[in-house]
Amino acid sequence: AQSVTQLDSQVPVFEEAPVELRCNYSSSVSVYLFWYVQYPNQGLQLLLKYLSGSTLVKGINGFEAEFNKSQTSFHLRKPSVHISDTAEYFCAVSENTGNQFYFGTGTSLTVIP
Amino acid sequence: DTAVSQTPKYLVTQMGNDKSIKCEQNLGHDTMYWYKQDSKKFLKIMFSYNNKELIINETVPNRFSPKSPDKAHLNLHINSLELGDSAVYFCASSQEGSGAFYEQYFGPGTRLTVT
Repeated sequence: AQSVTQLDSQVPVFEEAPVELRCNYSSSVSVYLFWYVQYPNQGLQLLLKYLSGSTLVKGINGFEAEFNKSQTSFHLRKPSVHISDTAEYFCAVSENTGNQFYFGTGTSLTVIP
Repeated sequence: DTAVSQTPKYLVTQMGNDKSIKCEQNLGHDTMYWYKQDSKKFLKIMFSYNNKELIINETVPNRFSPKSPDKAHLNLHINSLELGDSAVYFCASSQEGSGAFYEQYFGPGTRLTVT
């Protein structure tokens, strides 16, 4: 089974500063990778996904992530955060066999005015 | 139109009671899931149904039982509720096979409080 590690449980960052949220997964088999965002008192919404092709993936709200197969990482970045980006962010992995998702423990991003 | 809906949004009940949470998806997906999110935001998959067949059961107590009348619905029944069942429960759906590559769509969640 996969394990998904989000190294930072809480990330405070000032408004308009860049941010990186880290995600590492365990398996070297072929995987699909996802980042989800959860705003307060809401469900999870897909930010972006990596299925194949270019290792740099662009998502909604100005976020992007880079797939690094050798380091089994899929870090999420945004060059300039807004107050509205304050939310919980989840990294998720699925293997290309079966339909089980593995979620990380989440990173709470707080944008400080 | 709401893609994945859940009812109720909030559920407050006493220990020992039996309750149900309903989930419906209008995306035409063939797989549905139930997740539990605890107070620390950890997400734990509980069940998934594919074409009305249970395919994942992650050591969840048998007080919890999923019921799928058709592929657009996956309801969660909980018997003899305990304090530790207090959490937010999310329903999700996905389409297996070509196309969506298992991307999951989530409902808004049901906050269950057991007193």
